Amino acid sequence: ETGVTQTPRHLVMGMTNKKSLKCEQHLGHNAMYWYKQSAKKPLELMFVYNFKEQTENNSVPSRFSPECPNSSHLFLHLHTLQPEDSALYLCASSKEPQANYGYTFGSGTRLTVV
Amino acid sequence: DAKTTQPTSMDCAEGRAANLPCNHSTISGNEYVYWYRQIHSQGPQYIIHGLKNNETNEMASLIITEDRKSSTLILPHATLRDTAVYYCIVRPTTNNYGQNFVFGPGTRLSVLP
Repeated sequence: ETGVTQTPRHLVMGMTNKKSLKCEQHLGHNAMYWYKQSAKKPLELMFVYNFKEQTENNSVPSRFSPECPNSSHLFLHLHTLQPEDSALYLCASSKEPQANYGYTFGSGTRLTVV
Repeated sequence: DAKTTQPTSMDCAEGRAANLPCNHSTISGNEYVYWYRQIHSQGPQYIIHGLKNNETNEMASLIITEDRKSSTLILPHATLRDTAVYYCIVRPTTNNYGQNFVFGPGTRLSVLP
């Protein structure tokens, strides 16, 4: 365990469903991140939250909606997804600005859209 | 865009040292070199980082050239469990400018029995 917990580990959803991915850390970190990793592609940064405020949105479609209610929890709300959104979704956290050890990642949620 | 270049893939015999190179010719003076690895379908795992001096921890050694334009990650006695994709990333540790970790394609290391 890394200290960053993601649930669920696997999720299958239809294109008309609404679901949420959850990420939780109790490492005392103040920044949290969502990354997407499609098959055989590098990790793509989706969203960044610093001190609960969204500081970056890398042109992510509106069918992905992040929420960060506090510095320990991060959600990714999903609705009307497409099959090409099937991927591994990774959450990470760090202590900014002095992120000596970089980011700590969770194990990811494997999402399949059918 | 990733500011590093790495070979696409490498093989290493079990028990031998694995030497993974990384080129970062445009590295800035305040940027550290970080190494992560990702075992199949898991989240990336921090390995080591350094600025100028060589670094060693329980997982690996990091050798940085004097001009800092390249580095090598060394796994001294590779095991089958070291089979993974290895990422080399540069970023300041004191991140006052919103520089996030950008992952390139990395090097796929296969440790062979």
